[in-house]
Amino acid sequence: EAGVTQFPSHSVIEKGQTVTLRCDPISGHDNLYWYRRVMGKEIKFLLHFVKESKQDESGMPNNRFLAERTGGTYSTLKVQPAELEDSGVYFCASSPRLAGGKETQYFGPGTRLLVL
Amino acid sequence: GNSVTQMEGPVTLSEEAFLTINCTYTATGYPSLFWYVQYPGEGLQLLLKATKADDKGSNKGFEATYRKETTSFHLEKGSVQVSDSAVYFCALSEINDMRFGAGTRLTVKP
Repeated sequence: EAGVTQFPSHSVIEKGQTVTLRCDPISGHDNLYWYRRVMGKEIKFLLHFVKESKQDESGMPNNRFLAERTGGTYSTLKVQPAELEDSGVYFCASSPRLAGGKETQYFGPGTRLLVL
Repeated sequence: GNSVTQMEGPVTLSEEAFLTINCTYTATGYPSLFWYVQYPGEGLQLLLKATKADDKGSNKGFEATYRKETTSFHLEKGSVQVSDSAVYFCALSEINDMRFGAGTRLTVKP
């Protein structure tokens, strides 16, 4: 079974440009999450999709970040315009939708974003 | 709210040394607890987990016990190998709300 995949693995852009990150969850997983780790700090939650609906987007830092999951399969996270403080590693995770709400999340390899 | 505090790194050990990485948590309910590992150049992988008090998670020689009385989930391994060099993250999850510690970088030298 294929795991969570993310594209690109690395992205280097200039301040003010736009970048779109993509995440393909494990097939059949309704839950999809985005996280970010800024250099040396904890991994912070950004948002959570259940199928195509945003369940929780309380972690999105500001309106320069836009996440979509059309059709409930893959998701994109767009940063427009990018700022220096957006640099970090963006992780995507997915989990099946089971009763109890304590499903294990499976993570992708992350996208390393550097904004110059 | 929920949070996780883990031992700051980096940690450098010699091969076959004993490893402990401390992790404590704050939670309002009854979370599940996890250790994730990130090997160089790879993504986060689930190392072990425990879903209720007194449960012990174990995998690849690593162990951690869910201690409700001390709100801890310390990671231990009796004899580390060079291949264990990685960043280790403690995490808790309560109804899909996952919180991570800052990560502890472990380097094992031959």
